Order: sequence, then structure tokens, then C-alpha cells
Amino acid sequence: KAGVTQTPRYLIKTRGQQVTLSCSPISGHRSVSWYQQTPGQGLQFLFEYFSETQRNKGNFPGRFSGRQFSNSRSEMNVSTLELGDSALYLCASSLGGQGQETQYFGPGTRLLVL
Amino acid sequence: QKEVEQNSGPLSVPEGAIASLNCTYSDRGSQSFFWYRQYSGKSPELIMSIYSNGDKEDGRFTAQLNKASQYVSLLIRDSQPSDSATYLCAVNFHNYGQNFVFGPGTRLSVLP
Repeated sequence: KAGVTQTPRYLIKTRGQQVTLSCSPISGHRSVSWYQQTPGQGLQFLFEYFSETQRNKGNFPGRFSGRQFSNSRSEMNVSTLELGDSALYLCASSLGGQGQETQYFGPGTRLLVL
Repeated sequence: QKEVEQNSGPLSVPEGAIASLNCTYSDRGSQSFFWYRQYSGKSPELIMSIYSNGDKEDGRFTAQLNKASQYVSLLIRDSQPSDSATYLCAVNFHNYGQNFVFGPGTRLSVLP
């Protein structure tokens, strides 16, 4: 079974631009979560989508948004990019998103904001 | 504020020794606990999950959970140089849906 895939793998943007990242979960998985990883802050939860609805949300500004499609694929958008948005963005999927389920991570998208 | 704490390390152990990694969490009501391993430049990969008090063993790995003390640990027996990585403790603070809080990670170095 194919794992979680993320595109693109690398991205360079400039301040003020916006970016859209894509995540395809493991087949059959309906929950998709997004994380930001930086050296200073570690791995931080952005939001979780299940059945095309945002079910949980972390403490990030409204510039960070996402959506999920009927095939469970998800996109994350960051508007008005700031230098501090440079990070590894990780997507993780799980079956139904219940608390005791394991999340499986994709390879990540490395975003550099200049 | 839900928090997960780990010693950042680095923790150095000789090859063949037992590595002990510790994690504490702030929410007594938490139910799901996970250990992930992350190699430099790679994404986290699951090592073990644990939900009940006590020990859970999987090969060279043993996870231990003590909910009363809000403490979860990971033991790696017969450590190998390939175990050198950052180990992330994760707690799912929700029983409905996913809202993982990760610790800062402990960097483990296994010396040949």
C-alpha cells in the first residue's frame, strides 16, 4: 500500500506570496493532519481534517488554512508568507482519526521563504 | 496549555547498551501516547503506541506508561548505531480526532 505523499517536496517563495501544499493520504485513510516543524519550535499541530471538515485546530494565525476533498486528499494554504514560515510542513494520515489511531507521516514539504 | 516534555539530549550510549528515553505530559486525561523516530532530514516514523498503564514490548523496544505520574518512557535494548536519531514523544490530547502534541525530541547517539 502506498504511503502518504506530499507535493511539492521543496519550495522557495518570497515574503508576501502565498503557497499551497498538497497531501494524499494512505488509501482508505480519511483523517489528514498538518504539522509545521522548525528547529526552534519543534513539531507543531496546525489542523486536522476529516470528511472534508476541519475537526481540530492548533494555535496558528488565520493565514494558515486548509481543506479536504471528497477523496480525502488535502491541501494547506499559507497566505502573505513571512520569513518565519520557513519550515518543514508535514502531513499525516490515519484511518478514522480516533484518538487511539496511529498517524503515518508523509515525507514533508520543505518551504523556504526569502 | 497542553505540554509534552522531553530531555533534549544528546543522549549517548555505547553500542549494545540500553537507551532510556523519558517523557512527561501535562494533561492527566490523556489516553494515547506514541513514540516516533526521526532521522535527520526525514519525516517521523512510528516506533510504538501505548494506551494502558504498564509495559508494551516490540522487539528491542519497550514502552512504559504510568498515567498516575503522567510519564511515558521508551527503552531500546541492544542499541545499534542505526538507532541514532531524534526520538519524539507524542500525546494525543483528544479522544475524538487527532490533536497530537509532540515533545521537543531527544537526540540519541549510539557509539560504535
